[in-house]
Amino acid sequence: EDQVTQSPEALRLQEGESSSLNCSYTVSGLRGLFWYRQDPGKGPEFLFTLYSAGEEKEKERLKATLTKKESFLHITAPKPEDSATYLCAVQPFAQGGSEKLVFGKGTKLTVNP
Amino acid sequence: ETGVTQSPTHLIKTRGQQVTLRCSSQSGHNTVSWYQQALGQGPQFIFQYYREEENGRGNFPPRFSGLQFPNYSSELNVNALELDDSALYLCASSFRGGTEAFFGQGTRLTVV
Repeated sequence: EDQVTQSPEALRLQEGESSSLNCSYTVSGLRGLFWYRQDPGKGPEFLFTLYSAGEEKEKERLKATLTKKESFLHITAPKPEDSATYLCAVQPFAQGGSEKLVFGKGTKLTVNP
Repeated sequence: ETGVTQSPTHLIKTRGQQVTLRCSSQSGHNTVSWYQQALGQGPQFIFQYYREEENGRGNFPPRFSGLQFPNYSSELNVNALELDDSALYLCASSFRGGTEAFFGQGTRLTVV
């Protein structure tokens, strides 16, 4: 069964204090790994898609990396506006089938000024 | 902001009633997926539509059904509402075989 586990469940940082969020996954065949940011009561906002081990992508203070078993979202010098829940999802290969996403429960990040 | 729009944004229904939620996909996208997100949980896949046909379904009962229209917009219908159906319902738009999936702002459904 395809499964995604995110850790920690919640993380509090001081402004400027860099850290990483973890996403561990088991999947029959990985088509892609997705990262999203979600603000309270809103829909997830697309951040990155990673496809193969060793791949890295960056956007402002965020950098996502991928290995064969996990992905990390590194946050460098975070600001209060980076506070949100970060969701990780895998998209399994499914020949002729759906391109569904299997999500973890998310990491709630709070950045204090 | 994505081009995916959902309506309504909030809805309150009584147990046993039926509800229809709507989604307009982003221009150029031909695939629509629906997800249910309970409070404090990650989104759970309900089903996906491609070329107006259901193309994959998650672990949801048949009282959850949907449609996709020729313009790629979509509806999610839920019959015989239960209290546990209270959640944020999310629509995701993508191009089949593509690299991104964009979500709408969601519909908050409360069943009382």
